[in-house]
Amino acid sequence: DTAVSQTPKYLVTQMGNDKSIKCEQNLGHDTMYWYKQDSKKFLKIMFSYNNKELIINETVPNRFSPKSPDKAHLNLHINSLELGDSAVYFCASSRDSDAFFGQGTRLTVV
Amino acid sequence: RKEVEQDPGPFNVPEGATVAFNCTYSNSASQSFFWYRQDCRKEPKLLMSVYSSGNEDGRFTAQLNRASQYISLLIRDSKLSDSATYLCVVNILYGNKLVFGAGTILRVKS
Repeated sequence: DTAVSQTPKYLVTQMGNDKSIKCEQNLGHDTMYWYKQDSKKFLKIMFSYNNKELIINETVPNRFSPKSPDKAHLNLHINSLELGDSAVYFCASSRDSDAFFGQGTRLTVV
Repeated sequence: RKEVEQDPGPFNVPEGATVAFNCTYSNSASQSFFWYRQDCRKEPKLLMSVYSSGNEDGRFTAQLNRASQYISLLIRDSKLSDSATYLCVVNILYGNKLVFGAGTILRVKS
């Protein structure tokens, strides 16, 4: 049973395309996150949702739009992809403090 | 100043060595603290929470000094399997926001 699952695991796409990454957690957690890990391996928070409501938006470009249809799902849609968007995107969920992460989506924009 | 700072390393140590990692955080309102471990091309996973009284889990000991805003991790009797990146993580008081340090690379060699 995968606690936090995200799809796809790998995504290669051309500049200018629009793509989505899906995330689901079966832990019953109220809070979900999207993190970006760039080539320097720094893990930076992008968004945090609590019970489907946006709590944190860390000055992410408007091209990134999260959507939480219910508290078990947090999807990430990216418009007009740019080369600099290439990174690993991690979804995570938590109840009170520490977080469980998905396996990551390795996005490569060419 | 970064919210969470760590020495990036790498720390290259022989098997059996004791190694210590340090971390400082800038937000005095931080409420909970963790060490995560991230293996190459994998997601971060919780290693242990960190408490003011200090806590131990087998060969791993974590300490928190709130006055100095300082967190440490001590690994005794290092194993080859301990090779990974160790991430210092702080949960900021406002909203659910886990802030990650850049990570410290540990390489244990035989």
